[in-house]
Amino acid sequence: EAGVTQFPSHSVIEKGQTVTLRCDPISGHDNLYWYRRVMGKEIKFLLHFVKESKQDESGMPNNRFLAERTGGTYSTLKVQPAELEDSGVYFCASSPQRAGVQFFGPGTRLTVL
Amino acid sequence: GESVGLHLPTLSVQEGDNSIINCAYSNSASDYFIWYKQESGKGPQFIIDIRSNMDKRQGQRVTVLLNKTVKHLSLQIAATQPGDSAVYFCAENLGDKLIFGTGTRLQVFP
Repeated sequence: EAGVTQFPSHSVIEKGQTVTLRCDPISGHDNLYWYRRVMGKEIKFLLHFVKESKQDESGMPNNRFLAERTGGTYSTLKVQPAELEDSGVYFCASSPQRAGVQFFGPGTRLTVL
Repeated sequence: GESVGLHLPTLSVQEGDNSIINCAYSNSASDYFIWYKQESGKGPQFIIDIRSNMDKRQGQRVTVLLNKTVKHLSLQIAATQPGDSAVYFCAENLGDKLIFGTGTRLQVFP
């Protein structure tokens, strides 16, 4: 069974540019989560989808971040415009049930210059 | 790797010894806990989980202990191997989102 995949693995952009990260969850997993680790900090929750609906977006830092999951399959996380403090590693996870094990992807390392 | 700049406590053990990694969690309402292992350049990998109605759970070479009274988790790894070298995180599930600890780096030396 394929795991959670994320694209790209690395992204280097300049401040003010836009970046879109993609996550493909494990097939059949209705629950999809985004997390991130910025330099020197713990992994922090960003938001949770159940199918195509945003269940909890309390961790989204500001309105420069937009997550979508059209059709309830893959998800995208767009940062527009990117700021220096957005640099970090963005993880996606999926789960077949709520309050269960979350399986993580390899992450996307974002560097904003 | 992702841990640059993050000052992690480090546990150094000799190959073949047992390892114990500790974690304090913050919220009494958390009812589900997971241990993850993260190797450099990879995402967190599930190791073992435990629900709050249990105080011990065993897997292959790993055991998780939960003490709800003091809000403490531990991960025990038996016969530690070089492949166990990684950063280990505990995570508590609160309202269907995971809250991660800082992590502990495990170094295994021959």
